Order: sequence, then structure tokens, then C-alpha cells
Amino acid sequence: DAKTTQPPSMDCAEGRAANLPCNHSTISGNEYVYWYRQIHSQGPQYIIHGLKNNETNEMASLIITEDRKSSTLILPHATLRDTAVYYCIVRVLVYGNKLVFGAGTILRVKS
Amino acid sequence: KAGVTQTPRYLIKTRGQQVTLSCSPISGHRSVSWYQQTPGQGLQFLFEYFSETQRNKGNFPGRFSGRQFSNSRSEMNVSTLELGDSALYLCASSLGTGGEETQYFGPGTRLLVL
Repeated sequence: DAKTTQPPSMDCAEGRAANLPCNHSTISGNEYVYWYRQIHSQGPQYIIHGLKNNETNEMASLIITEDRKSSTLILPHATLRDTAVYYCIVRVLVYGNKLVFGAGTILRVKS
Repeated sequence: KAGVTQTPRYLIKTRGQQVTLSCSPISGHRSVSWYQQTPGQGLQFLFEYFSETQRNKGNFPGRFSGRQFSNSRSEMNVSTLELGDSALYLCASSLGTGGEETQYFGPGTRLLVL
């Protein structure tokens, strides 16, 4: 019952921006978009989240389209340590704190 | 602030045994959720506890249970272990269960059932 669609894998050159897309065409008006990443066999790491407006923190930027049907996570200067599985999650409020993870995008940063 | 801690980090059990995993949330966090991660099924929600009450439950058999203590620490128990229970068990904590809650995950407990 994941509400998001992500490409299975992407490659990015070290030092370049990594742009990870996510489609969430059935998102409701009060549902947040969350991004997590998981480096091999570790616990998922929170990256960023947003509702309508674009958001930026020390790790990344989140661009949400005006119709909210898709978003892009931007890692401005990817490093080898950014190689991970990136999950885009729509937080369904009636689920409480339950997060529904899809398969995510495997991002490979190459030197 | 210390992050979410989980103990033990690694565990080996045999079929039919039971196991208890522990999770200490970030200080001040009152909600704890548990997830199971396997190569075949990915990350799946087990249950969520808030103020010592189970708030939500995933689609897992009754062999999987949990509880939360007054200090917000949580334990999950799996009885009559099966080979398919081998997985990474992850705990996540958040301040509450409101609309804009961010969950922070621990490092996980890797369980191997032989």
C-alpha cells in the first residue's frame, strides 16, 4: 500500500548534484512527504520532509511540485558516503506513526 | 542527545525459541514503533506504542508482541521462532503521534534463526 513510485536505481558522479524523483499522485492535502535513506544494514536515517513548500536543511533540499503530485530530493554535492537506498514516503495521517516503505531508489555515487 | 538505542545488536536463536528485543527511545520521545526488514519483504511496520498503549498494529501473527514501559522504553517479543523470522528489527521513536512527527531509527537488532 505504498503511495509513492521511485526509480529502482540511479547513478551520480561524486561532487555533482544527485536529483532523486518521487511520484505521489494520490497524496492528500494534509499528508507530508518524508525522505529517509538507509546505508547498508544500518537503520534508516531521516533526511527531510515537507508539505507544500520547498525545504532545505544541511543534508538536502526537497522540491515539491505545485500540484504536490511529485517531489525531488536534491543532494547538492554527492559524496561516496551518500551511496544508499533512498526512500520517499507519504505519511498517511490516519496511520499514526506507521511509515509505509516502498522499494526505494538505490543511489550509487561513483568517483 | 543520544539517539535511539537497541539491544542486543546481534542475536542467534533456534527454531521454537522465543526472543525479546529492547529499544530505548530518544530522551523525551514518547512514541516507539517497530519494523521488520527482510530481503524479500523490505521494511514492514510491526506496531506502534504511545504512552504505554499500542496505537497501531501491522499485519503480523500474534507471535509478535510488544509493550512499552512508563519511561517510554519498549520491548518486542517473538515467540515460537520460525526460520522466516530472521531479519533486521528496527525501532523508531518520535515525540508524539501528531501530524508532523519525525521518526528517528535505531541501528537495529539483527536476528538469525537457525
